[in-house]
Amino acid sequence: DAGVIQSPRHEVTEMGQEVTLRCKPISGHNSLFWYRQTMMRGLELLIYFNNNVPIDDSGMPEDRFSAKMPNASFSTLKIQPSEPRDSAVYFCASSLWHRNTEAFFGQGTRLTVV
Amino acid sequence: DAKTTQPTSMDCAEGRAANLPCNHSTISGNEYVYWYRQIHSQGPQYIIHGLKNNETNEMASLIITEDRKSSTLILPHATLRDTAVYYCIDPNSGGSNYKLTFGKGTLLTVNP
Repeated sequence: DAGVIQSPRHEVTEMGQEVTLRCKPISGHNSLFWYRQTMMRGLELLIYFNNNVPIDDSGMPEDRFSAKMPNASFSTLKIQPSEPRDSAVYFCASSLWHRNTEAFFGQGTRLTVV
Repeated sequence: DAKTTQPTSMDCAEGRAANLPCNHSTISGNEYVYWYRQIHSQGPQYIIHGLKNNETNEMASLIITEDRKSSTLILPHATLRDTAVYYCIDPNSGGSNYKLTFGKGTLLTVNP
């Protein structure tokens, strides 16, 4: 398996533009997580899904952020409109929905909003 | 917020054992403690998890105290590639079941 695949790896956009980050989880995994990492705040959990349903989105910073999981093999995180303070590395992770298992992380998308 | 406490940083000589402590005094009785690490510019990587017995895999060993209030991750023969931030996680620290909430972790620097 190729692991969790995120795209793009790098994104530079202007303030006010819409940004869409993509994630393909590991086949067979039914849990998906989106994280954001900055120097100031570390790794923050934004949202997680179980069987394509959002379970907890309490980490989503504001209404400009939205996440979808239309099927078991694809998820998106959208920021509209983007702001410079959204600049961060965004990670997607997947796992089996089971307490005693591990989560696998993608390589991340480095977003820069100028 | 994460309910685990770890030292901010540690150093270790290459080839020696690295012992990384974690305090998780509020972990519930049926919850596992997880360890992940993050090498610079990469996504976090799972290392090991345990409940009450000591665990060992190809990456590391995990020693959990009998009262389960703390644990130690052991890298038996640290290499330069083990330089990373190591996170100890209580999956319930986010307030709901199985939510991997990362704290600040321990930056382990392995020196030649």
